[in-house]
Amino acid sequence: GIQVEQSPPDLILQEGANSTLRCNFSDSVNNLQWFHQNPWGQLINLFYIPSGTKQNGRLSATTVATERYSLLYISSSQTTDSGVYFCAVSRMDSSYKLIFGSGTRLLVRP
Amino acid sequence: DTGVSQDPRHKITKRGQNVTFRCDPISEHNRLYWYRQTLGQGPEFLTYFQNEAQLEKSRLLSDRFSAERPKGSFSTLEIQRTEQGDSAMYLCASTEQAMNTEAFFGQGTRLTVV
Repeated sequence: GIQVEQSPPDLILQEGANSTLRCNFSDSVNNLQWFHQNPWGQLINLFYIPSGTKQNGRLSATTVATERYSLLYISSSQTTDSGVYFCAVSRMDSSYKLIFGSGTRLLVRP
Repeated sequence: DTGVSQDPRHKITKRGQNVTFRCDPISEHNRLYWYRQTLGQGPEFLTYFQNEAQLEKSRLLSDRFSAERPKGSFSTLEIQRTEQGDSAMYLCASTEQAMNTEAFFGQGTRLTVV
């Protein structure tokens, strides 16, 4: 099956700093999503980005499908950005079930 | 529609008891998925419904687990004879049956087996 690797596994930032999270996947995919898991466990949708670049406020994401990676950029980080960021991919021939990476645990200090 | 809803949010049960969780997907979504997440890991796929039909089950889904979606709307996940290893967060997601396959998740049910 598809393997999804996220890096770095842990990241500590000072408030106001910028960061880049990376997601590599081992095969072609039809769907890629970035999620933020809040302290209560809910997965919050950040981006649905099978390819290309999208921006939403301080966050942006780029997926280069031909090279099998995606990047999530966080600018001017805030303490509320803390949590776990997951990348997940799916394929049409696998019923679009999501395969998740192990996540990047981000701590933003005031 | 406020999104995917799961109930209960938390469940503590004694080993050997049966538990049932409910998921209400976004109303126009045909596809419904259950995932399980253990501490420090990403969610893992358990099972998938398209309308009322259960089309795929993971090998993670032992015989003690059963899921239904009787009218193609809400779904239930039952665990019989719970074991301590079943302690986890159980997540439900739904998507449209269309080109846009963005998945939306509920708040999850956190199960603790004591």
